[in-house]
Amino acid sequence: NAGVTQTPKFQVLKTGQSMTLQCAQDMNHEYMSWYRQDPGMGLRLIHYSVGAGITDQGEVPNGYNVSRSTTEDFPLRLLSAAPSQTSVYFCASSNTANEQFFGPGTRLTVL
Amino acid sequence: GDSVTQMEGPVTLSEEAFLTINCTYTATGYPSLFWYVQYPGEGLQLLLKATKADDKGSNKGFEATYRKETTSFHLEKGSVQVSDSAVYFCAQRSGGSYIPTFGRGTSLIVHP
Repeated sequence: NAGVTQTPKFQVLKTGQSMTLQCAQDMNHEYMSWYRQDPGMGLRLIHYSVGAGITDQGEVPNGYNVSRSTTEDFPLRLLSAAPSQTSVYFCASSNTANEQFFGPGTRLTVL
Repeated sequence: GDSVTQMEGPVTLSEEAFLTINCTYTATGYPSLFWYVQYPGEGLQLLLKATKADDKGSNKGFEATYRKETTSFHLEKGSVQVSDSAVYFCAQRSGGSYIPTFGRGTSLIVHP
């Protein structure tokens, strides 16, 4: 099992560009989520999904879109990147047994 | 609403010192409680958990006891090592919630 994988590991964007951060899991987990991690702010929930076709907003959803067409994949889209979106992004998945499994993260810089 | 409060860091210790990182929570009902660890450049990974009052979670020499009366889940280790240097996150998940609530994280730095 690869667990939770994220691509790319690093990305530099210019303001206004769009991109998609990929996340995939091979554990057949129902729940998937996206967080951003900023210094002094801990983890903040962006969007989450409780199953294929079902998504909902977290604490900081503005500027991000998600979809969940399959159980395995949960991509995060930045529609028009802004410097405030410079952060480290983590994808996580879990089943009903509580533990979350995290990916290695994507380090995004928006110039 | 549900929340987790943990002590601010960084916590700086010498090798073999005793570690305590405080964590308290507010929740409706009886949540499951977790400690996650994040090593430099990596994602979070589960360190230990407890699912009911008075349960003790333990792993790699770390321990935490679920205290319902004080709504706390403090992390302890008797003798830290340089390799324990990381950021530690306390988290809780209430029964009606799909996604856990995380504290802000506490950075631990252990010097030789």
